[in-house]
Amino acid sequence: QVRLVQSGAEVRKPGSSVQVSCKIPGDTFSNSVINWMRRAPGQGLEWMGGLVIIFGTPTYAREFQDRVTITADESTSTVYMQLSSLRSDDTAIYYCARGAAAFLLSYYMDVWGTGTAVTVSS
Amino acid sequence: EIVLTQSPGTLSLSPGERATLSCRASQSVNSNYLAWYQQKPGQSPILLIYDASSRATGIAARFSGSGSGTDFTLTISRVEPEDFAVYYCQQYGRSPPEIAFGQGTRLEIK
Repeated sequence: QVRLVQSGAEVRKPGSSVQVSCKIPGDTFSNSVINWMRRAPGQGLEWMGGLVIIFGTPTYAREFQDRVTITADESTSTVYMQLSSLRSDDTAIYYCARGAAAFLLSYYMDVWGTGTAVTVSS
Repeated sequence: EIVLTQSPGTLSLSPGERATLSCRASQSVNSNYLAWYQQKPGQSPILLIYDASSRATGIAARFSGSGSGTDFTLTISRVEPEDFAVYYCQQYGRSPPEIAFGQGTRLEIK
């Protein structure tokens, strides 16, 4: 069964940055579409942006456009999400998820990552 | 930008009862590109339904999806104890690409 393994929990101070990784099975990496979502305490799921790996150009949600960067490293079959200028309300569980259709960013997601807890606190 | 509104916010039912969860879109959803996910505490979401009414692989037959245009429904024919969770709808297929989720419906034990 396909599984996306994410990096471990992080604690950051306000104003700093955090990078979360998402390991993609090697044989599916190049054809994968990876989206990033988060779920803050007491809130619902929120889409942050995504990447069609073969095209290389990410798309970001308007709410995160100025603070999020999504990249991919083919040598390690890993996708990264970096969020900068962290605030306390960025405290959340961050998820990567694979789009079910190759080459289409806006699609349903059939495999989700293990989740990464990010806590922003002074 | 499409907005998805789910209702009710919380649904309290006993095992064996029928659950009906609603998802309403602020504009028509192209090609019925709507999915449903289940998320249990401490776990990642799992895909239940895609294209409004197609069950994902391995999902029990008691879960069904219906609807078109702006109004969609997830039905659990007879709720099992393991079904108590939060359910999200999600729209997809838009250009320029964007993904939107509803705010979620919590299904709790009555």
